[in-house]
Amino acid sequence: GAVVSQHPSRVICKSGTSVKIECRSLDFQATTMFWYRQFPKQSLMLMATSNEGSKATYEQGVEKDKFLINHASLTLSTLTVTSAHPEDSSFYICSARTQGVRTQYFGPGTRLLVL
Amino acid sequence: AQSVTQPDIHITVSEGASLELRCNYSYGATPYLFWYVQSPGQGLQLLLKYFSGDTLVQGIKGFEAEFKRSQSSFNLRKPSVHWSDAAEYFCAVGALSGGSYIPTFGRGTSLIVHP
Repeated sequence: GAVVSQHPSRVICKSGTSVKIECRSLDFQATTMFWYRQFPKQSLMLMATSNEGSKATYEQGVEKDKFLINHASLTLSTLTVTSAHPEDSSFYICSARTQGVRTQYFGPGTRLLVL
Repeated sequence: AQSVTQPDIHITVSEGASLELRCNYSYGATPYLFWYVQSPGQGLQLLLKYFSGDTLVQGIKGFEAEFKRSQSSFNLRKPSVHWSDAAEYFCAVGALSGGSYIPTFGRGTSLIVHP
């Protein structure tokens, strides 16, 4: 149980285009989803927290207009990187938890490369 | 705000040797503590967690961790390391703040296993 999927697993796009990454909880209701960014050989940096049906809460320094997060259902959250630039290239990981459960479960990550 | 320190960036052990990965945390109350493992290019897999009760917790793949409140530590151990254990290990603290769940990760420890 507690499986989280991400799609796509890797994406290459041109500078200036937008990319959407999906995060799905497959066998539980994700009342809260987290989006992380991870640079090579570094830890996870929390970008934002989203509760189903509410606006996402962004961490300091994360541009909410650039990283659009939608959590419209209990099983799906999306991260859209708008007008992507090469510096946005990174590994993006989502995680999910359900209300009352303290453990978060992680997706396999999405490798984004912006040319 | 809580914080997590993993003082060792790299740990090298021989296959079959014992392992201890260090983790220290800073948090005002009793935290929720986690250890995750990440293989290259993959998401994070939960190894074990501590919420309350017995301070020695058993996890998957033969790992265990001990919560020591006096030392603010939650070190991960394994009596005999296998080559497949080579990966990145993250200690994490989950804390409740104003009704929200705030996860914080350490920078990670890279485990290298020699044959």
